[in-house]
Order: sequence, then structure tokens, then C-alpha cells
Amino acid sequence: KAGVTQTPRYLIKTRGQQVTLSCSPISGHRSVSWYQQTPGQGLQFLFEYFSETQRNKGNFPGRFSGRQFSNSRSEMNVSTLELGDSALYLCASGGQGRTEAFFGQGTRLTVV
Amino acid sequence: GENVEQHPSTLSVQEGDSAVIKCTYSDSASNYFPWYKQELGKGPQLIIDIRSNVGEKKDQRIAVTLNKTAKHFSLHITETQPEDSAVYFCAASIGDNDMRFGAGTRLTVKP
Repeated sequence: KAGVTQTPRYLIKTRGQQVTLSCSPISGHRSVSWYQQTPGQGLQFLFEYFSETQRNKGNFPGRFSGRQFSNSRSEMNVSTLELGDSALYLCASGGQGRTEAFFGQGTRLTVV
Repeated sequence: GENVEQHPSTLSVQEGDSAVIKCTYSDSASNYFPWYKQELGKGPQLIIDIRSNVGEKKDQRIAVTLNKTAKHFSLHITETQPEDSAVYFCAASIGDNDMRFGAGTRLTVKP
């Protein structure tokens, strides 16, 4: 069974631009959660999608948004990028019961 | 919401010694407590988990204990090896709600 796939692996953007990150969960998993990981703040929960609906949301500004498609693939969008948005963005796929979360390798975003 | 605190932030042990990482959580309704290991350049990997109806769980050299009354849980690694060196995260969640993570512990096992 293939694992969680995140694309791209690395991204460099300029302040003010927007970016879209993609996550394909494990086949059969319907839940996708997004996390921001920085050295200072650790793993911060962004939001979770289940069956194309946002089920939970963390404390991030409206510049951070996401969506989930009917095949459970999810995208995360960050608009008007700031230097502080530089981080590793991780996606986690959940199975039945949703409690076990399996992470992808992440997308490392650098904002310059 | 749930708040998870993790200690220590760094831990250095000699190969063969034991390592213990501790976490506390704030919401008594939390009922699922996983531990993740993150190696350099990789996403976190689930290594062991425990649910609130169990007090202890073992998997080879790794064990997790849960004290619901005190709202803390711990990861125990015995006979540590250099390949155990990584960042370890604890987490807590309440059923279907979002999972909250501790700040992480960087474990170094010296050969």
C-alpha cells in the first residue's frame, strides 16, 4: 500500500505570492490533516478534512485555506506569503476511527 | 482546547541505557495518545500509541505508560541504540477531534 504523498517536496516563493501544496492520502483513508512545523513552534495543527468537508480548524489566519476532493486528495493554499510562513508543511492521512495518523514527508516551503 | 507539554526538550544517553520522555495533557476527555519519531528529512512516523482504557503498552524495546488521574503519559526506550537518535513527539486527541502535539524531544544516543 502506498504511503502519504506530498508534492512538491521543496518550494521557494517570494513574499506576497501564493502557494498551493498537495497531499494524496493512503488509499482508502478519508481524513487528511495539515500541520505546520517550525523549529520554534513545533507541530501546529492547521485543519482537517473528512469527506470533502473541513471538520476541524486550528488557529491560523484566513490566508491559510484548504480543500479536499472526492478522491480524498487534499490541497492547502497560502495566500500573500510572509517570511514567517517558511516551514515544513506536513499532511497526515487517517484511517477508520481516524485516530492513527500517518504522515507524509512534507513540503518544505521557503519564503524569501 | 487540548494543551500538551513535553519534557525534556533534549535528551542525551549512552548506548545501552534507557531513555524516558514525559508528556502531560490538559483535557481529561483525551483518549488517544500516540508517539511519533521523526528522523532528519522525514515526516513523523507512528511508533506506538495507547488509548485511555489501557495503562501500559509494550512493543519490543519501546513502552508507553498512561496515568489518567495525573494526566500524563511517558515513552520508555530500553537498550537504546544509535539509530534511536531522532526527535520524538507525543500527542493527544479526543476521539475525532484534532490531534495536539508536544514540542518534541531531541534524543541523542551516543555510541
